[in-house]
Amino acid sequence: DAKTTQPPSMDCAEGRAANLPCNHSTISGNEYVYWYRQIHSQGPQYIIHGLKNNETNEMASLIITEDRKSSTLILPHATLRDTAVYYCIVRARSLEGSNYKLTFGKGTLLTVNP
Amino acid sequence: DTGVSQDPRHKITKRGQNVTFRCDPISEHNRLYWYRQTLGQGPEFLTYFQNEAQLEKSRLLSDRFSAERPKGSFSTLEIQRTEQGDSAMYLCASSPSYPHPNRGYTFGSGTRLTVV
Repeated sequence: DAKTTQPPSMDCAEGRAANLPCNHSTISGNEYVYWYRQIHSQGPQYIIHGLKNNETNEMASLIITEDRKSSTLILPHATLRDTAVYYCIVRARSLEGSNYKLTFGKGTLLTVNP
Repeated sequence: DTGVSQDPRHKITKRGQNVTFRCDPISEHNRLYWYRQTLGQGPEFLTYFQNEAQLEKSRLLSDRFSAERPKGSFSTLEIQRTEQGDSAMYLCASSPSYPHPNRGYTFGSGTRLTVV
């Protein structure tokens, strides 16, 4: 079972920031938070991951609470092409053992409106 | 490198027929994964290869399903005697091995199977 809880859907106006929440209250100390997104009819695409510090890359920012029980993915200036299902996944960083498996929930369908 | 390629993109087959899908991973990735995704659900893990060795199979992979990765390069997923419940998107992904998994997997665009 997925270890995360996400709202099923969210809307955002084009050009505004999209803030996607994720709860992962049972996260363990060696688990990272990963975000993927899946645009319609495509495979999931890696966005960003983090352990406890906030992270930023060219696609998004990831804010993780101090207790690590929740996080927020931020798309600073959403475009129509950001309309997708966003998945929050917790997984140990190492790919050893069974950690290679990604356990997806249903994700959040983000709709960016013009 | 053009990423992970899957062929065909779409397949419609009659119930009871056999189908085979192909996945070409990123060339330097030695790990390859198959996932299945049904409508409205997230992808579910099916099986995993490291080089040519199939190291794990999910219980979702019934005996009608077989996956191979000869020579540790491309992989095939075959479904025998297809059933309507096999209708889904079949996703392939690849990754480099430890110790640099930072960017996670790279997924292909999937093969959408419809069994009629």
